[in-house]
Amino acid sequence: NAGVTQTPKFRVLKTGQSMTLLCAQDMNHEYMYWYRQDPGMGLRLIHYSVGEGTTAKGEVPDGYNVSRLKKQNFLLGLESAAPSQTSVYFCASSYRTGANEQFFGPGTRLTVL
Amino acid sequence: KQEVTQIPAALSVPEGENLVLNCSFTDSAIYNLQWFRQDPGKGLTSLLLIQSSQREQTSGRLNASLDKSSGRSTLYIAASQPGDSATYLCAVSLAGTALIFGKGTTLSVSS
Repeated sequence: NAGVTQTPKFRVLKTGQSMTLLCAQDMNHEYMYWYRQDPGMGLRLIHYSVGEGTTAKGEVPDGYNVSRLKKQNFLLGLESAAPSQTSVYFCASSYRTGANEQFFGPGTRLTVL
Repeated sequence: KQEVTQIPAALSVPEGENLVLNCSFTDSAIYNLQWFRQDPGKGLTSLLLIQSSQREQTSGRLNASLDKSSGRSTLYIAASQPGDSATYLCAVSLAGTALIFGKGTTLSVSS
């Protein structure tokens, strides 16, 4: 099992450009999450999904959109990137509720110039 | 609003020492508490998961305890090694959804 994988690993964007981050898991988990990690701020939840076709907002959702068209994939989109979105993005998944252990991907390091 | 605090922010110890990392949270209504390890530039590796009904969990040289009523957890590392050097993150799960993270303790073990 690959666990949780993220594509790409690194990306540099110019302000105003768009991009999509892909998260995939092969553990048949229902729940998936997108977090961002910033120095001095810790990890914060952007959006999450409790099953295929569902999404919900987390703590810092502004400027991001998500989609969960397939159970194993969770996409994070930036429609018009801003320097404030420079961060490391982590995807995670868990079997069912948040009471279950969360497993994290290796992260995507995004720089917006 | 749930807040998670980790003390100390950084810790340096010589190899072989036993050490304790602390985590406190403000709202005791948690589903579980998870300890993670993060190496520089890497993702998070889950170390231990303690359900709200449990008092402690052990894995090898690691032992994590949970006291919900006082809003505290500790991660005990026995006989520390240079390979234990990393940032350790504590996170609590609320209401069946996402994790609330502390800012971590950066551990350095010297040989």
